[in-house]
Amino acid sequence: QKEVEQNSGPLSVPEGAIASLNCTYSDRGSQSFFWYRQYSGKSPELIMSIYSNGDKEDGRFTAQLNKASQYVSLLIRDSQPSDSATYLCAVNMRGYSTLTFGKGTMLLVSP
Amino acid sequence: DAGVIQSPRHEVTEMGQEVTLRCKLISGHNSLFWYRQTMMRGLELLIYFNNNVPIDDSGMPEDRFSAKMPNASFSTLKIQPSEPRDSAVYFCASSLILRVGTSGGPSTDTQYFGPGTRLTVL
Repeated sequence: QKEVEQNSGPLSVPEGAIASLNCTYSDRGSQSFFWYRQYSGKSPELIMSIYSNGDKEDGRFTAQLNKASQYVSLLIRDSQPSDSATYLCAVNMRGYSTLTFGKGTMLLVSP
Repeated sequence: DAGVIQSPRHEVTEMGQEVTLRCKLISGHNSLFWYRQTMMRGLELLIYFNNNVPIDDSGMPEDRFSAKMPNASFSTLKIQPSEPRDSAVYFCASSLILRVGTSGGPSTDTQYFGPGTRLTVL
């Protein structure tokens, strides 16, 4: 059974704080990991991808991957109200060309 | 450069009617994914095409659903007959996959989503 688990939230943080979003996955052989952002009524858009253990930084976003713990996270520094959205974790599991998505975590950043 | 194009953006129909959703891939991409999104079940993959060939249709709910890719850039998803439980947002996503996944080895490239079709079946 392919599973990607996320806390549905909402995760509420004040403007300027660090938001930490977490995701676990079931297949130890998973190889590629993605974070998508989805605003209400819009389609998912890719914000980060990560393939190797460790951290990957892109502007205010940092993706962290720990394959031994089957855990991937997204940190958003200096959170802004415009970051308020649902964040979807997606995993490419071993042997598949498709992605398995978590149900997403809603993030609310208050001014 | 045009992204993924989906039509219609909104569809309201009555139970039992046929519904056809359309998707145009990003130029140069070779893979197309149809997803359905609901609050209860999240984003679910329905079917995946690579180079016009259906590779994985295990997510298609039942025989009422069918998908085709008559050429390299265009696909349709048809529901016949439609039921109220089919109400959802249907997304199509486009990607360039150089090697279809086999056991071992990364093969997935970024998926770019279209704007979606919001389907309501009364």
